[in-house]
Amino acid sequence: KAGVTQTPRYLIKTRGQQVTLSCSPISGHRSVSWYQQTPGQGLQFLFEYFSETQRNKGNFPGRFSGRQFSNSRSEMNVSTLELGDSALYLCASSFMMETQYFGPGTRLLVL
Amino acid sequence: AQTVTQSQPEMSVQEAETVTLSCTYDTSESDYYLFWYKQPPSRQMILVIRQEAYKQQNATENRFSVNFQKAAKSFSLKISDSQLGDAAMYFCAYRSENSGGSNYKLTFGKGTLLTVNP
Repeated sequence: KAGVTQTPRYLIKTRGQQVTLSCSPISGHRSVSWYQQTPGQGLQFLFEYFSETQRNKGNFPGRFSGRQFSNSRSEMNVSTLELGDSALYLCASSFMMETQYFGPGTRLLVL
Repeated sequence: AQTVTQSQPEMSVQEAETVTLSCTYDTSESDYYLFWYKQPPSRQMILVIRQEAYKQQNATENRFSVNFQKAAKSFSLKISDSQLGDAAMYFCAYRSENSGGSNYKLTFGKGTLLTVNP
């Protein structure tokens, strides 16, 4: 089976812009979770989707949003980018509520 | 809220030797999962091993094994016969097993950077 894929792998944006990141889960996996990784804060949970419904959301401002499509692919959007949004964004998928398998991440740099 | 603590920011080991990485966690739940993930310089997060809290037997995956002490809320990872490819950041993670609930997020520790010396 193909693993979790994330696009794009690298992204450079400027403050105030918005960005959309995409995640395709492992075939058959219906749960997709998103995490932000920064040197200062470590790995923090953003949100989790299952069957197109957001089941859980981390402590992030409303500028961070996401959605999941009927084919389980997920996107996350960050509006009005700030310098502090520079991070590695990791997507993970799981079958039902089992182990989460991670994608390679999208590295976002906000200038 | 659950917390995960990795008290060793960095560790080093000689090739072929054994190293143990520490992890403690705090929870009031009785059912949960614990994981060790490895993140090499490529940044891809790779599952190393998983432990269900209801299982008394410690999980083992080839050269990787855990020492799970539920009462002490301790979950250490032992790497035997260390190889150069084991060099990476290792993260301990906790996940609730809240059947019927919605809290399936992973809570991570800050990580331990493992260096393997030839």
